[in-house]
Amino acid sequence: RKEVEQDPGPFNVPEGATVAFNCTYSNSASQSFFWYRQDCRKEPKLLMSVYSSGNEDGRFTAQLNRASQYISLLIRDSKLSDSATYLCVVNFNTGNQFYFGTGTSLTVIP
Amino acid sequence: DVKVTQSSRYLVKRTGEKVFLECVQDMDHENMFWYRQDPGLGLRLIYFSYDVKMKEKGDIPEGYSVSREKKERFSLILESASTNQTSMYLCASSPPGGRQPQHFGDGTRLSIL
Repeated sequence: RKEVEQDPGPFNVPEGATVAFNCTYSNSASQSFFWYRQDCRKEPKLLMSVYSSGNEDGRFTAQLNRASQYISLLIRDSKLSDSATYLCVVNFNTGNQFYFGTGTSLTVIP
Repeated sequence: DVKVTQSSRYLVKRTGEKVFLECVQDMDHENMFWYRQDPGLGLRLIYFSYDVKMKEKGDIPEGYSVSREKKERFSLILESASTNQTSMYLCASSPPGGRQPQHFGDGTRLSIL
């Protein structure tokens, strides 16, 4: 079983839609969680960290469910510019290694 | 803002060549990482370093070595390049402890002919 798993998609949604991605992780001792965005042929860029109480940044909401070992990303009012691959990243309390999901592809359609 | 700089965006080399990929970060981060990214496989860790002259193997170290002589610089070396090492290579840095996110360089798209 992979340490971090994501549905690869693709998710094709119309502008203005709400879309949600989940990511499951295998190690219950995980301490840190992040969502990154990666555009085609570019480097991953930090979208947001995920805190235990959940957190919001504009149209983006991240949540953590430790009991079920998953994190989620909700995007409201999707824009064309949200089209990208979204990577889930987990640090397993070892301190030095980060584990990446393979990414979920989102295309927002006009 | 954290700046991670990789020496080349695109690089073409020949089979058997020794290839050096350089990465420099300006935030005094202890941790530095080298990944490769291939379609359908996601990011795979090649090596990481948590201090000067320290290194740890990642998931796919075969065919690669690294060097960290200064805190800000982490080099990836392909000892004898092969065509299966054609890939996107990404360098990242982060503070110690794993609670802060990594920051990535722009990536080097390496082609081995």
